Amino acid sequence: GPKVLQIPSHQIIDMGQMVTLNCDPVSNHLYFYWYKQILGQQMEFLVNFYNGKVMEKSKLFKDQFSVERPDGSYFTLKIQPTALEDSAVYFCASSLGQGFAETLYFGSGTRLTVL
Amino acid sequence: GEQVEQLPSILRVQEGSSASINCTYENSASNYFPWYKQEPGENPKLIIDIRSNMERKQTQGLIVLLDKKAKRFSLHITDTQPGDSAMYFCAARPNYNVLYFGSGTKLTVEP
Repeated sequence: GPKVLQIPSHQIIDMGQMVTLNCDPVSNHLYFYWYKQILGQQMEFLVNFYNGKVMEKSKLFKDQFSVERPDGSYFTLKIQPTALEDSAVYFCASSLGQGFAETLYFGSGTRLTVL
Repeated sequence: GEQVEQLPSILRVQEGSSASINCTYENSASNYFPWYKQEPGENPKLIIDIRSNMERKQTQGLIVLLDKKAKRFSLHITDTQPGDSAMYFCAARPNYNVLYFGSGTKLTVEP
């Protein structure tokens, strides 16, 4: 089936540094999402992105966060500067459209550890 | 937004028996309810979903029920197999874009 790839699977970084998480969405998909999951808790919506713009973002999407998809390549989540509470697994997802029952396809996540 | 509560968080069943996971939601605008299965180290995968114009849907040993009045929906896995062992997440969508997830159920099917 359709695959969303996330690179890297694990990343360890010192607090205050910048980190970029990369997502290779399903090739013909147009809508992109980031979700954050702290261990033992549910996946929480961060942001969605379409046509080069953020469509909607949650309170978790702090000012230190940004997303982009330069030249239609990777969909990226950048955190600058990182904080200890940013440690979590970040899931990227994509969908073809945004219809009533549009399926989101998820990547396998990037585990970010901020020291 | 939306708040989705999922229970139980841990579920152990014997092979061949059924397993049930229950979710509730708060936003009456939610109209789409997918269920995702996630195995260790893997991505969450959609296994079944139900729209708000339905009360019941069944596919390949999976049954989902939706009670809009009670704002409750549930997943029932019949004749469980060890391969059904995984994390299961319910979700609700109150608008076109955003899925709100429950906290997950770790299902273990014991031989």
